[in-house]
Amino acid sequence: DVVMTQSPLSLPVTLGQPASISCRSSQRLVYSDGNTYLNWFQLRPGQPPRRLIYKVSNRDSGVPDRFSGSGSGTDFTLKISRVEAEDVGVYYCMQGTHWPLGTFGQGTKVEIK
Amino acid sequence: EVQLVESGGGLVQPGGSLSLSCSASGLTLRNYPMHWVRQAPGKGLEYVSAITSSGASTYYADSVKGRFTISRDNSKNTLYLQMSSLRTEDTAVYYCVKAGAMDVWGQGTTVTVSS
Repeated sequence: DVVMTQSPLSLPVTLGQPASISCRSSQRLVYSDGNTYLNWFQLRPGQPPRRLIYKVSNRDSGVPDRFSGSGSGTDFTLKISRVEAEDVGVYYCMQGTHWPLGTFGQGTKVEIK
Repeated sequence: EVQLVESGGGLVQPGGSLSLSCSASGLTLRNYPMHWVRQAPGKGLEYVSAITSSGASTYYADSVKGRFTISRDNSKNTLYLQMSSLRTEDTAVYYCVKAGAMDVWGQGTTVTVSS
């Protein structure tokens, strides 16, 4: 089974400062079609998960451009260029390459200092 | 508007059964494989089960294998999760999710297993 490891698990950030979350997979995430199915989700209390980034670096419609994704192979990163109050929540990476059941990371809790 | 709406959650005793439904609107379910994903209190997201678009193949996490059954009725645009032999550790919010892109999630339905 593919294991997804996120770090840090807790990330206190000052408003307006950058934040970065790392996600490492135990296997390469390049699928046979050449795509890498690595997504990032945001989870806020009382709301369902919201996909922010798909296939490593593609931002979903309506997602602020302060969010960006990067990486390849087994190492991936979600960056927030300037954290805003509304960014507080838990962020998960998820691999969909090794299906049928994907794998989520443990989650990283972003909070304001 | 594309929408998934789960129903059927509630309080059940350990060893009991519960059936969840996920109804789709603005989305033709038969075109997509589907997932159930859950989040237990204070825990992370966990895949529970998956089903192909036709319903011919199903998949389960080891934690629910043999106890949960995923199914679908494409004529009713509805996904199901039949849960039996429930345990306290099955307590969670259960989400149905459009598989593949993982871009459409329901609001979730809460299952509480407690005596």
